[in-house]
Amino acid sequence: DAGITQSPRHKVTETGTPVTLRCHQTENHRYMYWYRQDPGHGLRLIHYSYGVKDTDKGEVSDGYSVSRSKTEDFLLTLESATSSQTSVYFCAITTGLYTEAFFGQGTRLTVV
Amino acid sequence: AQTVTQSQPEMSVQEAETVTLSCTYDTSESDYYLFWYKQPPSRQMILVIRQEAYKQQNATENRFSVNFQKAAKSFSLKISDSQLGDAAMYFCAQMDSSYKLIFGSGTRLLVRP
Repeated sequence: DAGITQSPRHKVTETGTPVTLRCHQTENHRYMYWYRQDPGHGLRLIHYSYGVKDTDKGEVSDGYSVSRSKTEDFLLTLESATSSQTSVYFCAITTGLYTEAFFGQGTRLTVV
Repeated sequence: AQTVTQSQPEMSVQEAETVTLSCTYDTSESDYYLFWYKQPPSRQMILVIRQEAYKQQNATENRFSVNFQKAAKSFSLKISDSQLGDAAMYFCAQMDSSYKLIFGSGTRLLVRP
């Protein structure tokens, strides 16, 4: 196990409510990523972080924000959840350019 | 901008045969890194093989090998002697100096016994 955990693992929420997903690592890896996985779209990058308080947008960042106040935690927030954000969300960590990325077990989010 | 394209949503192979999964990518950088990941039904992501763009020699890992064509921006995965356990989603991915790790849409591989 790469020491990466996501919480919660499953969540059902109502449209318009805020939701925060947490990614926690014990590896002290510098780079952290949030993806969403949808059928036919593969994994799409939402946001990523290259250090504490250093984050950047990915391919599908609209409607999402992130924060990284300490190395081990990377939070993904849906400010006002919509049904189009129903998805499986994965967090990943890596140490650098050519290294293997390790993934969390995923969070299944349903917005009703 | 980085893009990764997998044009085969699904592929099928007979057990013990060989199959090739296609991937094309685009980047403005000369130095970058390419990966193939496997996702079985458990949803766990597993690194299959990786390639550094500045290395011309194609990477090989046991039954898995790549055909890296830098000028064509192509990075295909060949699986030899296919096994039932190879059945999974396969994702091609690219990382450049921005540290963005971008994935393609995936190819579902079915293995027929």
